[in-house]
Amino acid sequence: NAGVTQTPKFQVLKTGQSMTLQCAQDMNHEYMSWYRQDPGMGLRLIHYSVGAGITDQGEVPNGYNVSRSTTEDFPLRLLSAAPSQTSVYFCASARGNTGELFFGEGSRLTVL
Amino acid sequence: AQKITQTQPGMFVQEKEAVTLDCTYDTSDQSYGLFWYKQPSSGEMIFLIYQGSYDEQNATEGRYSLNFQKARKSANLVISASQLGDSAMYFCAMRGGGAQKLVFGQGTRLTINP
Repeated sequence: NAGVTQTPKFQVLKTGQSMTLQCAQDMNHEYMSWYRQDPGMGLRLIHYSVGAGITDQGEVPNGYNVSRSTTEDFPLRLLSAAPSQTSVYFCASARGNTGELFFGEGSRLTVL
Repeated sequence: AQKITQTQPGMFVQEKEAVTLDCTYDTSDQSYGLFWYKQPSSGEMIFLIYQGSYDEQNATEGRYSLNFQKARKSANLVISASQLGDSAMYFCAMRGGGAQKLVFGQGTRLTINP
C-alpha cells in the first residue's frame, strides 16, 4: 500500500534553476496539497487541489506552480529557485472535505 | 483568519507519566476540525487524532485523547503512560471553511526521559 509517494527525497539546486517535485497517491483521493515546513514555523500551505483540473493557492504560493491533470498526480514546480525556498516539502491527500490528511515522507530541498 | 497557537516549544517528561500538550485555536467558522500529528526524527507526519467541532464526546485513540473545550477554544492532546517512542515533534492543526486546508501550529517538541 504505497499511499502518498514523493520524489525526490533530497535535492540540491543552484539559484535560478528549475525543478519539479513529484507527488502521486494511489488512494483515489480528490484532495491533494503541498506544504512547506521551515524551522520554528510549522507547516504552511503552498497550493491545493480539490480534483483533477482544479487548483488554488494556499498561504505561501509565490514562486511555485502546480497542475492536476489526473486524480493521482500533483506535481509542484519551482520555475526559478531561490535560497528562500530551501525547506522540507510535504505532499498530502485526503478523501473529500473531511477525514484524515495523509502525508508523503517529505522532500528536502536546498537552494544554494 | 484561522490560527493555531502552541505555547510550549519543548517539554520534558519522565517515562510512564501522562503528558498534556497545549493547543488553542481561533476561527470564526462554526464547522471545523482539529487534528494532532506526530513528527518523529525521521521526518514523516503521523496522524494521531481528530476532533470535529460538533462532536460532543472528546476523541480518543488508544493512549491519545483530545481534551476539547469549545468555549475556551482549546484542543489539548493528552498522552497517557508516555513511552520513549513518544519523543517527537507534535503539531496541532485546524481545518475550516469546508475545505481540507489545514493550518498548523508551530509545534511542541516532546522528550521522554527514561
